[in-house]
Amino acid sequence: GENVEQHPSTLSVQEGDSAVIKCTYSDSASNYFPWYKQELGKRPQLIIDIRSNVGEKKDQRIAVTLNKTAKHFSLHITETQPEDSAVYFCAASRSGTDKLIFGTGTRLQVFP
Amino acid sequence: KAGVTQTPRYLIKTRGQQVTLSCSPISGHRSVSWYQQTPGQGLQFLFEYFSETQRNKGNFPGRFSGRQFSNSRSEMNVSTLELGDSALYLCASSSTSGSQETQYFGPGTRLLVL
Repeated sequence: GENVEQHPSTLSVQEGDSAVIKCTYSDSASNYFPWYKQELGKRPQLIIDIRSNVGEKKDQRIAVTLNKTAKHFSLHITETQPEDSAVYFCAASRSGTDKLIFGTGTRLQVFP
Repeated sequence: KAGVTQTPRYLIKTRGQQVTLSCSPISGHRSVSWYQQTPGQGLQFLFEYFSETQRNKGNFPGRFSGRQFSNSRSEMNVSTLELGDSALYLCASSSTSGSQETQYFGPGTRLLVL
């Protein structure tokens, strides 16, 4: 069935360090992979996404990589700041639907 | 443009009751999806609607139902509430369905079942 595994479940880093969150998906038809950030008590917000025809995408301090063969995709945050502290969710979907299969989330804490 | 709105924001019900939640998408968006968020199960897909038609349904019992109106507003209904239905219910909208466009989430309705 459709499943997305996400690791680690919690991640603590010092301000300025990098953070990496990894996800693995099971549905080989998945071709769209968004990442959402959810701050405490707020709605999930898209921070970056990648489509299966691209191996890497970068937006300032945030980058996402995709390995279709291994069915892995990862979020990389460089030069972390305290305001990066939140829960991050990866997700996967296939063409023809808006249905997102979410990972279980990673709670990132950035200590000043 | 105004964002996705959901009403009510908070709701307390007792077991056996039913509840209706509402979602108004971003103006011009025609696709609405619903998700249930709980600490134990995370974010789980409930339904997807486009042009008043249900396009996809998640693995939830028949007590969970939904619909979409001609103005793209959507409602979901949960009948015979159980304690385990306590959750944050989120809806998300996008301009079209299945085109992998950004989905924007509403603030959610927090439902507590006693």
